[in-house]
Amino acid sequence: SYGLSQPPSVSVSPGQTASISCSGDKLGDKYVSWYQQKPGQSPLLVLYEDNKRRPGIPERLSGSISGNTATLTISGTQAMDEAEYYCQVWDRDSETAVFGGGTQLTVL
Amino acid sequence: QVQLQESGPGLVKPSETLSLTCTVSGASIRSYYWSWIRQPAGKGLEWIGRVYATGTTNYNPSLKSRVTMSFDTSTSQFSLKLTSVSAADTARYYCARVKIITVTEYCFDFWGQGILVTVSS
Repeated sequence: SYGLSQPPSVSVSPGQTASISCSGDKLGDKYVSWYQQKPGQSPLLVLYEDNKRRPGIPERLSGSISGNTATLTISGTQAMDEAEYYCQVWDRDSETAVFGGGTQLTVL
Repeated sequence: QVQLQESGPGLVKPSETLSLTCTVSGASIRSYYWSWIRQPAGKGLEWIGRVYATGTTNYNPSLKSRVTMSFDTSTSQFSLKLTSVSAADTARYYCARVKIITVTEYCFDFWGQGILVTVSS
């Protein structure tokens, strides 16, 4: 079955840039979506189609993809960005949604 | 504003069937795919499956033998049944709307608040 790999944790200082990676086989052939989940809340779709921001999502969140790795970048990270972030793709072969294991972003 | 609300028992006995319902408001339930996704405490997200108004379904292969999803357009609800549950099925269960990116690519743009289901005797 298809799998996505994310680092368990990323730390960043306020105002700095945070990068969260998501790797998978032939990831460039798929569209990657990103979700933000804060404690006690439901996941929130923040980016889809690799780099499209959902209305209302700050411009400091952006997405990119190169080869087999997608990256969620948060510029000028704020305390409110501290959350778990999940990447997700749709695997056409199995017709299933696949989530990465999640990355805890800590703003120190 | 699209809203989803999960409902159902919060406690299910081992070997029994977990049954949940998702009530949708603010969107035409006939026009989208709808999904169930679960999350054990402190762990990641697991997609369970999706259902369309026509009855078309896709299930996670790891759960396929135990899962049934169905639709009720008259009540704007869709449901999940998971049979033969065990402690491993203890999780928060979310219902979500499927957003079509392309004809073969999807994500989830609206989520319910989730319902915690514990499997225990």
